[in-house]
Amino acid sequence: DGGITQSPKYLFRKEGQNVTLSCEQNLNHDAMYWYRQDPGQGLRLIYYSQIVNDFQKGDIAEGYSVSREKKESFPLTVTSAQKNPTAFYLCASSAGLAGGWPDTQYFGPGTRLTVL
Amino acid sequence: QKEVEQDPGPLSVPEGAIVSLNCTYSNSAFQYFMWYRQYSRKGPELLMYTYSSGNKEDGRFTAQVDKSSKYISLFIRDSQPSDSATYLCAMSAVINSGYALNFGKGTSLLVTP
Repeated sequence: DGGITQSPKYLFRKEGQNVTLSCEQNLNHDAMYWYRQDPGQGLRLIYYSQIVNDFQKGDIAEGYSVSREKKESFPLTVTSAQKNPTAFYLCASSAGLAGGWPDTQYFGPGTRLTVL
Repeated sequence: QKEVEQDPGPLSVPEGAIVSLNCTYSNSAFQYFMWYRQYSRKGPELLMYTYSSGNKEDGRFTAQVDKSSKYISLFIRDSQPSDSATYLCAMSAVINSGYALNFGKGTSLLVTP
């Protein structure tokens, strides 16, 4: 089955620890995205990548880091510098520039991170 | 002012009602308009997309765009309890490095039997 997988579904960490969230896609998509969703805040873009070995900051990149070493993988690290890391994190992918409009973004099931 | 405004609700309707969900926006560069549905604790899934102004129908769902008023709507006919979810509008403009998608905050819909 083609799709996007995120693991784990629930993640608990102590304050001050870095944590890495996994995102894998087998849709052969060029572009991948990380969003954060908080109650009443909608989706906010953290980072996005249009191609392997390249990525751009989104609206709320501070305290986060990413890598894009493989086309199918786009892990997100939540660092200790992120002041309010507890949230629902969503990964998405799309065909990107090669696919043209509407460049539909497909979402994974999300990871709920709780920092204690 | 946020670029995309959406009333968070919650909106509660009886089964069979017609539901109207709306978003307004301020950026006239938006050309592509989408509606996503998100069930609780799940990722959003694309429902419909439209380009520029006009209507698009898909089964019980109709998407409407009025670019002159910067206003988009999603209508759900004969609403079902399974339609209970959060509905997110999203809008896209072409930028140098690709497509940027701007989301509304989502409207929570509850359809009661």
